Amino acid sequence: DIHMTQSPSSLSASVGDRVTITCQASQAISKYLNWYQHKPGKAPKLLIYDASNLEKGVPSRFSGSGSGTDFTFNISSLEPEDLATYYCQQYDNLPLTFGGGTKVEIK
Amino acid sequence: QVQVVESGGGVVQPGRSLRLSCVASGFTFSSYAVHWVRQAPGKGLEWVAVITYDGSNTYYADSVKGRFTFSRDNSKNTVYLQMNSLRAEDTAFYYCTRGNSIAAHSYFDYWGQGTLVTVSS
Repeated sequence: DIHMTQSPSSLSASVGDRVTITCQASQAISKYLNWYQHKPGKAPKLLIYDASNLEKGVPSRFSGSGSGTDFTFNISSLEPEDLATYYCQQYDNLPLTFGGGTKVEIK
Repeated sequence: QVQVVESGGGVVQPGRSLRLSCVASGFTFSSYAVHWVRQAPGKGLEWVAVITYDGSNTYYADSVKGRFTFSRDNSKNTVYLQMNSLRAEDTAFYYCTRGNSIAAHSYFDYWGQGTLVTVSS
């Protein structure tokens, strides 16, 4: 199985701050890495697919980069509504696997 | 617009069975794989299973293999997750989600709101 190591597990930032989350795969997964936002009591939401492609309707402050084993997710300017847990997920190999999640809190 | 709605969750005793259903609309159901993803209380997201667009292939996480069976009825735009020999560690919100292609290897572009399964005596 491909293990996804996501860090940090939690962070606290102010509105307007730049937020960076990293995800490392235990083996190369090309570009097959996605990012999801999960708010309490809501369905998870796809933000970024194939490492760097913004899903339609998602604000441009969200972005992703990377390939192979190392990936980065950014929120360029944190908004209050970005309070959520963010997950990376690989789909290069079955079983599909998620990172452990990053809980983003607003200072 | 695309809608995905799960049902069938509830409280069940260890060792018993439960069947989840998921009805989708707003797209050509028979052209997409469907997945189940779960979240146990206080834990992260865990992929559970996938069924390809025509139901010819299913794949499962090791944690449920041999106990869960995934099926679909494309005439009803519905998938089913038959869960047998349930364990306390199966307690979770179960989300039905559309894969972005016909294949098992896909990302999840539309999600339901989830249905809660509680396994407890």
